Amino acid sequence: GQQVMQIPQYQHVQEGEDFTTYCNSSTTLSNIQWYKQRPGGHPVFLIQLVKSGEVKKQKRLTFQFGEAKKNSSLHITATQTTDVGTYFCGEGFKTIFGAGTRLFVKA
Amino acid sequence: KAGVTQTPRYLIKTRGQQVTLSCSPISGHRSVSWYQQTPGQGLQFLFEYFSETQRNKGNFPGRFSGRQFSNSRSEMNVSTLELGDSALYLCASSLATGHPSGANVLTFGAGSRLTVL
Repeated sequence: GQQVMQIPQYQHVQEGEDFTTYCNSSTTLSNIQWYKQRPGGHPVFLIQLVKSGEVKKQKRLTFQFGEAKKNSSLHITATQTTDVGTYFCGEGFKTIFGAGTRLFVKA
Repeated sequence: KAGVTQTPRYLIKTRGQQVTLSCSPISGHRSVSWYQQTPGQGLQFLFEYFSETQRNKGNFPGRFSGRQFSNSRSEMNVSTLELGDSALYLCASSLATGHPSGANVLTFGAGSRLTVL
């Protein structure tokens, strides 16, 4: 069946460092969605990418959808303590998510 | 507008008991999905309901069941509880347009945290 893999599982960074998480699928995705879950909270929608090679930015966050639509990445520039949480990727419409990448930011 | 409401927020059960969790979606949202979240296991998809019909199902045993009512509210039930069922159960609703480009953007509730003793 379809699988969505995320790496790394955990990432510890110093505040101000960059961070990237990767999402890989065994099959072609119709779209990719990213969600963020703060500690003790619930997942919150960040963005959706639909087109091959699409790149979208939200302030310090850059989201990319691969040309083959089988992978995606989320890059955070100059992390802040407010970026702490778990980032999930998944294909919308099928509602299957990766295991998430948990980001720890040390001030 | 009101968000996704899940009740109860916390509950404690003992092995062998059963539990029913409730989810009220955002008004106008016809799809409700349920997820189990345990530490280190991410979001495990349980099932999705759309217009009172189960449309998708994850890889969980038959002890996990759900239903959706005509007003889109949904319930999930876990029978014969096991210790491993202790988890945060998240419900998410969406418009579910059915088209990939306008695909499900999920709005999650705060979850029901179940502890099985």
